[in-house]
Amino acid sequence: KQEVTQIPAALSVPEGENLVLNCSFTDSAIYNLQWFRQDPGKGLTSLLLIQSSQREQTSGRLNASLDKSSGRSTLYIAASQPGDSATYLCAVVNWDTGRRALTFGSGTRLQVQP
Amino acid sequence: SQTIHQWPATLVQPVGSPLSLECTVEGTSNPNLYWYRQAAGRGLQLLFYSVGIGQISSEVPQNLSASRPQDRQFILSSKKLLLSDSGFYLCAWRAGTGGWKTQYFGPGTRLLVL
Repeated sequence: KQEVTQIPAALSVPEGENLVLNCSFTDSAIYNLQWFRQDPGKGLTSLLLIQSSQREQTSGRLNASLDKSSGRSTLYIAASQPGDSATYLCAVVNWDTGRRALTFGSGTRLQVQP
Repeated sequence: SQTIHQWPATLVQPVGSPLSLECTVEGTSNPNLYWYRQAAGRGLQLLFYSVGIGQISSEVPQNLSASRPQDRQFILSSKKLLLSDSGFYLCAWRAGTGGWKTQYFGPGTRLLVL
């Protein structure tokens, strides 16, 4: 059974810092890995999707990497801003018989101090 | 473009009462549809998924049920709510073919059972 772990559970940084969020998964037989952002009381916003054949994806100040063989992904946020404050969730889709559902980590709660 | 709607946004229900949450998707056809629950202090858990009208698969044994009466409509129901049903319910859709596609989430329904 796939298990996804995110470290740290919470992070507080001053504005302008570069930071890295970590995600690990136990079963490397994945289709893809997604990073989401969740604001308090809101739904999930997809940030980046990395296919199993890819090593990284970039969108603006965000860069996500994937090392499938070691079961790890990182989300790099450059020049953090107070508006980046949210919970960041990592999730994977496993190779299985059509379910294609996401298995989520428990998230990293990020606070960027102005 | 595609959009996903959920209602109600917030619901407070007594223990033992029935439940009906609705999710609709616009701008796509034959999507895969998912219900997830986010309980307080816990990660997102897949409850149900559907690959087509009338096709529902349950992931977790519970007193909840799901139905898909139309291609782009997904309903989560219960005959008698339990306190443990409280949580944030998220509906998601994904293009119906290809495990590499992104999942998109609705705004969620916050359910409090008293």
